[in-house]
Amino acid sequence: AQTVTQSQPEMSVQEAETVTLSCTYDTSESDYYLFWYKQPPSRQMILVIRQEAYKQQNATENRFSVNFQKAAKSFSLKISDSQLGDAAMYFCAYRSADFGNEKLTFGTGTRLTIIP
Amino acid sequence: ETGVTQSPTHLIKTRGQQVTLRCSSQSGHNTVSWYQQALGQGPQFIFQYYREEENGRGNFPPRFSGLQFPNYSSELNVNALELDDSALYLCASSPDRYEQYFGPGTRLTVT
Repeated sequence: AQTVTQSQPEMSVQEAETVTLSCTYDTSESDYYLFWYKQPPSRQMILVIRQEAYKQQNATENRFSVNFQKAAKSFSLKISDSQLGDAAMYFCAYRSADFGNEKLTFGTGTRLTIIP
Repeated sequence: ETGVTQSPTHLIKTRGQQVTLRCSSQSGHNTVSWYQQALGQGPQFIFQYYREEENGRGNFPPRFSGLQFPNYSSELNVNALELDDSALYLCASSPDRYEQYFGPGTRLTVT
């Protein structure tokens, strides 16, 4: 079974600064997807960024980028130029690439606070 | 906005009762999954439906059951409610095999 570990329950960063959230995972599969989701107080889970394991290039979406280290099974999220609206719970999630096995396995989350 | 809606927003039930939670997805979203998120935890996969058939289930007892309808709506039913069933229930739908779009969730409280 796959597991996802987020070792930072809480993080804080000054507005406009950069912060990195950590995630490690364990799997025996070679092909899979990794995601970062954001969950603000409104509770709606919002996809931040996605990484396909077969791609060596790290995914980037505007101010959000990942550092994907497949051999180390590490998948960190970097948020640049932090904004007040980035304050939320951030969840790392794993999904198999096998057809019919699209369940997401989530970590326990990191609460990000933005300091004005 | 993800186009996924859930009802009701909040619900309070008594231990032993039964509850039905509803989810409405966008047209073309053939896959729907349900997750349970306990307070302070990450979501846990309950089950998944593809074209109205269950095709994956997490570590949840049979009293958790579901249905998916041709109009892209779905239901999560929980029988014989227990106190530990108190959680946020999230539904997520997908038009393809890659991304899941989440609804805002239903907060269930069992007393």
